[in-house]
Amino acid sequence: KNQVEQSPQSLIILEGKNCTLQCNYTVSPFSNLRWYKQDTGRGPVSLTIMTFSENTKSNGRYTATLDADTKQSSLHITASQLSDSASYICLHNYGQNFVFGPGTRLSVLP
Amino acid sequence: NAGVTQTPKFRVLKTGQSMTLLCAQDMNHEYMYWYRQDPGMGLRLIHYSVGEGTTAKGEVPDGYNVSRLKKQNFLLGLESAAPSQTSVYFCASSRPGLSSEQYFGPGTRLTVT
Repeated sequence: KNQVEQSPQSLIILEGKNCTLQCNYTVSPFSNLRWYKQDTGRGPVSLTIMTFSENTKSNGRYTATLDADTKQSSLHITASQLSDSASYICLHNYGQNFVFGPGTRLSVLP
Repeated sequence: NAGVTQTPKFRVLKTGQSMTLLCAQDMNHEYMYWYRQDPGMGLRLIHYSVGEGTTAKGEVPDGYNVSRLKKQNFLLGLESAAPSQTSVYFCASSRPGLSSEQYFGPGTRLTVT
């Protein structure tokens, strides 16, 4: 069983709409929770990093939330653009342990 | 700044062949990492380095060796390639601290037949 799970596996939305991606983790303890954007054929790019004491972090149209009690995080994308089409990956980090989720594939259509 | 670069971009090997993947960064980062990414799975850490001359094992180190002779370079070696090592390999670098933001390279797609 994956220690970091993401849902949905894939998502299709229309340009201009909002969406929310989910990340659930079972790994303990915890240093930080990160979200990455990965364009097809490229390396991941960091969007947000949240420590245990933070419950929200924004980066432009991207807002990540963290509930350490329920071990859930979400990434909300506002007013989606075609360039948001990518995979979004959640990472749980503690020390030298890096547990990545399998990602959510987002497609934004015109 | 080029950031993190990886050489080669693509490679096809036959089972039993060896090769070295090169990662270079120009951000003066202390820490460097090698990951592999397989379909339907998350990225997995192979080896990492917290400084020149030091390396450490990650989650899936078997079948790989690494070296960090220079601060800006991190090499990943496959001594005897196996089909199970078919994957996309990503290098990353960061400032000191395993909680620091990581900057990824563009990846190397390796196929072992």
